[in-house]
Amino acid sequence: QSALTQPASVSGSPGQSITISCTGTSSDVGSHYLVSWYQQHPGKAPKLMISEVSKRPSGVSNRFSGSKSGNTASLTISGLQTEDEAHYYCCSYAGGTSVVFGGGTKLTVL
Amino acid sequence: QVQLQQSGPGLVKPSQTLSLTCAISGDSVSSNIAAWNWIRQSPSRGLEWLGRTYYRSKWYNDYAVSVKSRITINPDTSKNQFSLQLNSVTPEDTAVYYCVRIEVAAYWYFDLWGRGTLVTVSS
Repeated sequence: QSALTQPASVSGSPGQSITISCTGTSSDVGSHYLVSWYQQHPGKAPKLMISEVSKRPSGVSNRFSGSKSGNTASLTISGLQTEDEAHYYCCSYAGGTSVVFGGGTKLTVL
Repeated sequence: QVQLQQSGPGLVKPSQTLSLTCAISGDSVSSNIAAWNWIRQSPSRGLEWLGRTYYRSKWYNDYAVSVKSRITINPDTSKNQFSLQLNSVTPEDTAVYYCVRIEVAAYWYFDLWGRGTLVTVSS
């Protein structure tokens, strides 16, 4: 299956809110609530930020939130901080034993 | 605190076998809840799930279609670790390889990652 579609880059100023979209199909994002989001800083492993569309793991700031509508999932970061600057990846279960990732979005905090 | 410690060579020759190991501390490879995965990341292919092993009264493996003919993931209960073998590698297999836990196998979210191993396929 094809990768999920994310914007290549987004930017925002400290204190602002941004939203990153993740568009899939009716076979993945549209038919499962198993969408997750990952933050990756340069040279580091990805870190789970959101699971099951909107659940925050322990220790993740409540400035991070997730949602889904139809075939598109979204990650919103409110009150942007400089340490939020990173790449963000979405991921969706796609049925059977398959999972698909997005191509990644580079967040720049201006 | 659960940790995953990866080991293995960073350089593999074309047509040979890529072998990596992931040692688990703070959890068990025989967990009845978790699944133990390998994911790789490259500029050309992005993040790509390769496969997983998990225990539910017996051992199961799931593999991505893209590598199914070349991959083996094995648990080692005596050392509480799991391994990746990828046969007949080409330069396309050059990537950072991560061992990763799915905390609850049915939910397909990757909650714990190893630090990653850059594997270069080159003669």
